Amino acid sequence: GAGVSQTPSNKVTEKGKYVELRCDPISGHTALYWYRQSLGQGPEFLIYFQGTGAADDSGLPNDRFFAVRPEGSVSTLKIQRTERGDSAVYLCASSLTIGGTGKFEQYFGPGTRLTVT
Amino acid sequence: AQSVTQLGSHVSVSEGALVLLRCNYSSSVPPYLFWYVQYPNQGLQLLLKYTSAATLVKGINGFEAEFKKSETSFHLTKPSAHMSDAAEYFCAVLPRTSGTYKYIFGTGTRLKVLA
Repeated sequence: GAGVSQTPSNKVTEKGKYVELRCDPISGHTALYWYRQSLGQGPEFLIYFQGTGAADDSGLPNDRFFAVRPEGSVSTLKIQRTERGDSAVYLCASSLTIGGTGKFEQYFGPGTRLTVT
Repeated sequence: AQSVTQLGSHVSVSEGALVLLRCNYSSSVPPYLFWYVQYPNQGLQLLLKYTSAATLVKGINGFEAEFKKSETSFHLTKPSAHMSDAAEYFCAVLPRTSGTYKYIFGTGTRLKVLA
């Protein structure tokens, strides 16, 4: 079946612009995670959703970052007034549930490479 | 705060040799522990996880890891390296007591397999 997909795969934007990054999780997965991976680093947690609600958004670096998941499926990560330091690969992952046996099985998408010039 | 350390950002082994990738965590309460692999231009894939009592965990592609509480370690091993094992490997932890699912990843180890 289809895995986690992310669009676009690459995004180049100018400093100060607004961007949206999209994540399509695996169908039926109720938990969804966003991570940021800078060059030479491991994924850094940003936010996770259980259903439509953000269960933990403590990893969002500042108020320029915002994520939504209005119908409990697709999620959009929104970055306002982009800065060069926002350049990174943004990863999305989903899992079947937060509780239960599937809770530790995160499936990652290929990521969106964001470059802010 | 919980952290995870991966010793060696780059590891090279010969094909057929033992693979050993190191991971140490810092917490008094052992967390849930994971190893992920990332191939170029692909998403991370779960190799194995430690979430219960069994301290030796077997994963996919012949990898295994042993949880050692006394050493706060969860090193990844494979008896015989294959060229297809060349990738980046990440250790990750999830604190048991945090009440959240905020995973913490190490900085990764890039494995190179020499012919």
